[in-house]
Amino acid sequence: DTAVSQTPKYLVTQMGNDKSIKCEQNLGHDTMYWYKQDSKKFLKIMFSYNNKELIINETVPNRFSPKSPDKAHLNLHINSLELGDSAVYFCASSLDVWTSGGSEQFFGPGTRLTVL
Amino acid sequence: DQQVKQNSPSLSVQEGRISILNCDYTNSMFDYFLWYKKYPAEGPTFLISISSIKDKNEDGRFTVFLNKSAKHLSLHIVPSQPGDSAVYFCAAKNFGNEKLTFGTGTRLTIIP
Repeated sequence: DTAVSQTPKYLVTQMGNDKSIKCEQNLGHDTMYWYKQDSKKFLKIMFSYNNKELIINETVPNRFSPKSPDKAHLNLHINSLELGDSAVYFCASSLDVWTSGGSEQFFGPGTRLTVL
Repeated sequence: DQQVKQNSPSLSVQEGRISILNCDYTNSMFDYFLWYKKYPAEGPTFLISISSIKDKNEDGRFTVFLNKSAKHLSLHIVPSQPGDSAVYFCAAKNFGNEKLTFGTGTRLTIIP
């Protein structure tokens, strides 16, 4: 039973298009995240939501917009895709750090986005 | 500015021997550290963590050591097994804060 799932696993698209990546967790966690792993394999946080509220927004272009319809889902919508957006995007979830301060994050399998 | 560094991009170890992966950090505010393991085409999976109030934490074959004065931590795997071949990421955070800062990873290869 998959704990954190992402769709699609692979996404190939043209520059300028708009695309979405979906994430769902069935762990009952309160907090969800989006990470980007670039070509240098550097894994960097983009956004974090706690109970549908945005709590972390790292310096990410406005073209990236996360949406959390409920605490089990965090989707990532990207407008006007650019070549530099090509990367692997990971979704993750964790317990609320206010109740479990050091809570480890559980990651999805990743979505490899290729912009042509 | 990379606050968490793993200076060895790769490491090869004989099966059965000890694997030691190193990690350095610059931000003295970090007080909680984690190691993640990642196989190709999969997401990172949590391995072991340590709080800054400890200097050692053990879980089966995995032990993490923390040297706060040197801002250095290490992961020891004993004995190393072929299934341990993966990329290992060190990560750091402030306890009670969601933001996790990752190192660039070390690719560990266990030689049978």
